[in-house]
Amino acid sequence: DTGVSQDPRHKITKRGQNVTFRCDPISEHNRLYWYRQTLGQGPEFLTYFQNEAQLEKSRLLSDRFSAERPKGSFSTLEIQRTEQGDSAMYLCASNPDGNTGELFFGEGSRLTVL
Amino acid sequence: SQQGEEDPQALSIQEGENATMNCSYKTSINNLQWYRQNSGRGLVHLILIRSNEREKHSGRLRVTLDTSKKSSSLLITASRAADTASYFCATDVDMRFGAGTRLTVKP
Repeated sequence: DTGVSQDPRHKITKRGQNVTFRCDPISEHNRLYWYRQTLGQGPEFLTYFQNEAQLEKSRLLSDRFSAERPKGSFSTLEIQRTEQGDSAMYLCASNPDGNTGELFFGEGSRLTVL
Repeated sequence: SQQGEEDPQALSIQEGENATMNCSYKTSINNLQWYRQNSGRGLVHLILIRSNEREKHSGRLRVTLDTSKKSSSLLITASRAADTASYFCATDVDMRFGAGTRLTVKP
């Protein structure tokens, strides 16, 4: 257990529905990252936060994806109007001091879009 | 595109053998990190090597860094079936990951 928790661990939804994932990082960690991973591929960067500020968002991320980190604590990743291609594992990671330290990953939230 | 790219894509060895995987990157870095991922789980940090270090050890793991070639290698000695996993590298520049090396250790 790394101390980073994600919820839900599994989500099955129908195409067109909205889904939201939550990540609770280790409390003193300033940086929080979201990645998406499909079978056989590496984690694909989506976005990251420094405290409550979203500093970078992947250009691959469509407008249907939005992430927030209110008050610089937990973060949510929302996918609107889900498509079958959104089926993937969504991973959250945090670290205490920017890119000088290692990432602590949660176990991920697996999304299946029917 | 991301900094770190792992090679080979897949590696299959017998238990007890050593496994070597490589990572190449593109620009100057402060550190490079290796991670392991068991199937269906999150990534776990293994080892971090700083740009002023050439080699680092942690248990059965040995990491080298060649900043002139912009490459790193991860050696797992005396491999065990439990080492079967995917291995990824990332640099502090962008914390991105490549496709990884899928290691299979046969008992």
